[in-house]
Amino acid sequence: ELLVESGGGVVQPGRSLRLSCAASGFTFFSRYHMHWVRQAPGKGLEWVAVIWHDGSHQYYADFVKGRFTISRDNAMHTLDLEMSNLRVDDTAVYYCARVPNGYTSFDLWGQGTLVTVSA
Amino acid sequence: SYELTQPPSVSVAPGKTATITCGGSNIGSQSLHWYQQKPGQAPELVMFYDSARPSGIPERFSGSKSGDTATLTISGVEAGDEADYYCQVWDSDSGQYVFGTGTKVSVL
Repeated sequence: ELLVESGGGVVQPGRSLRLSCAASGFTFFSRYHMHWVRQAPGKGLEWVAVIWHDGSHQYYADFVKGRFTISRDNAMHTLDLEMSNLRVDDTAVYYCARVPNGYTSFDLWGQGTLVTVSA
Repeated sequence: SYELTQPPSVSVAPGKTATITCGGSNIGSQSLHWYQQKPGQAPELVMFYDSARPSGIPERFSGSKSGDTATLTISGVEAGDEADYYCQVWDSDSGQYVFGTGTKVSVL
């Protein structure tokens, strides 16, 4: 079972970036709520967003509302995070993680992708 | 927004017991989970629904809750337990997930 993030890199403040997460090694991707969690350098874990297993609901942390959009493709087993109007304090490793439907704990994490927002 | 508070650090000698606390309002009525994160690695679930151990997690790890405080206890601490530990809950009112501030466990 594997989650692999991609799309990180260096971006200027105010610009946009799209992260992706590819799931493999497990069936029924559509039975899992999928999340993005980030960690700024030397800091703690910070939850970013969730999209429900069927894509019907999305919830966001207050600090990203209106700037980030989470989406998924259950046929392709992929999760995306479209980030716009990026700020310097969005600099972090972004992890993709899953929560089984009916549960509230993260049982599988990717290795993360680093986003650096810098002029 | 909901907050979970943890001590920044805990130091423990090998073979002894490490106790990591997580405090939050009305935490007694919420399902709480714990994660271990070693340097340069992704977090790993070590306790879920307060006191359930995922497959592969040693029995040395246990969880409990009392009042507004949850506790992760590591008995017979080993050098390999040195890591950051985070508690986490789901805030059903907002649909948001919340992590604690994190505790660095150092093995002396």
